[in-house]
Amino acid sequence: DAGVIQSPRHEVTEMGQEVTLRCKPISGHDYLFWYRQTMMRGLELLIYFNNNVPIDDSGMPEDRFSAKMPNASFSTLKIQPSEPRDSAVYFCASTGGANTEAFFGQGTRLTVV
Amino acid sequence: DQQVKQNSPSLSVQEGRISILNCDYTNSMFDYFLWYKKYPAEGPTFLISISSIKDKNEDGRFTVFLNKSAKHLSLHIVPSQPGDSAVYFCAARFTGNQFYFGTGTSLTVIP
Repeated sequence: DAGVIQSPRHEVTEMGQEVTLRCKPISGHDYLFWYRQTMMRGLELLIYFNNNVPIDDSGMPEDRFSAKMPNASFSTLKIQPSEPRDSAVYFCASTGGANTEAFFGQGTRLTVV
Repeated sequence: DQQVKQNSPSLSVQEGRISILNCDYTNSMFDYFLWYKKYPAEGPTFLISISSIKDKNEDGRFTVFLNKSAKHLSLHIVPSQPGDSAVYFCAARFTGNQFYFGTGTSLTVIP
């Protein structure tokens, strides 16, 4: 398996624009997590899914953030409209089966100017 | 509110010596604790874990210790190598639930 795949790796956008981050989890994993890395909070959970259903989205900072998981092999995190303070590295991770650990993608570095 | 805390943002150690990274947590219901290692421009990678029913787990140069009464865990790296220089994240979870991460400790191993 290629691991968790995120795209794009880097995204630069102007304030006010819509941004969509994509994630393909490891096949067979039934949990998918979206994290944001910041200096102050470290790896901050935004939302997680179990069997494609959102379980906890309390970490989503504002209504500008939304996430979907239309099937077991794909998830998106959307920010609309984007703001400079959204600039960060966003990680997707998945786990499932007998695994106790989560497997992370390479991350998407988002810069909003 | 941070349920997992790493109070040392950085640590420097000489090559060959022991590195000790510390982590505290607040929720006594966590049943797994994990350490991740992160290099720049890469995603975190799993390093070692420990179940709440154990107090020590060892894997090569890496040992994790769990003190449930103190709600504290630590990662020992012996001997430390320059390639160990990275950011280390402590994490905790309930089975079937989310992972709670600390803010990370940046380890520098000096050759």
